[in-house]
Amino acid sequence: DTGVSQNPRHKITKRGQNVTFRCDPISEHNRLYWYRQTLGQGPEFLTYFQNEAQLEKSRLLSDRFSAERPKGSFSTLEIQRTEQGDSAMYLCASSSNGAHTYYEQYFGPGTRLTVT
Amino acid sequence: AQSVTQLGSHVSVSEGALVLLRCNYSSSVPPYLFWYVQYPNQGLQLLLKYTSAATLVKGINGFEAEFKKSETSFHLTKPSAHMSDAAEYFCAVSDSFGNEKLTFGTGTRLTIIP
Repeated sequence: DTGVSQNPRHKITKRGQNVTFRCDPISEHNRLYWYRQTLGQGPEFLTYFQNEAQLEKSRLLSDRFSAERPKGSFSTLEIQRTEQGDSAMYLCASSSNGAHTYYEQYFGPGTRLTVT
Repeated sequence: AQSVTQLGSHVSVSEGALVLLRCNYSSSVPPYLFWYVQYPNQGLQLLLKYTSAATLVKGINGFEAEFKKSETSFHLTKPSAHMSDAAEYFCAVSDSFGNEKLTFGTGTRLTIIP
């Protein structure tokens, strides 16, 4: 169990550019979540996958945001035409429905996005 | 709709003193409640969770929390603070009917005074 990993850890981009982040969940976890955390705030839910199916999307996820989990393993989050308001920490979490770990989400270290 | 309110965005305690971080929730369905800790430039680590079993929940690093339905509270405590407890703490709620997405509070930054 190597934990949830996210790449890159830091991304600086210019306004209007597209960026893509990757999340690798804990290997046996079938659920994967994306959250966004701005300075001084708690994380806010963006979207959620069970295996490869995207089951829920927050209203925070505008049309410029898209997330995929094509084979039910890793996930990508893409932001098109970035805006300065997209600057935040993007957190990925995974969970399984095992008897003793149900409802436990394990978080990755996050990708910090800065849009200049 | 669910929400969490954390009273006190900053809490300072002396090393060895009691730590008390407050969390009140609002939920239209029976809630599941969580406390997470976040160290600088890191992700969140689960401290403990309440999922409708025992109302007094013990977690890692000596922390515990008590679910009080009548007060809609889930306060986090630790009898004796250690310097390594300095971090940001988040309370979160999800519903108990299969939707696991977490709704977080705005966090409490805990400072330990030597």
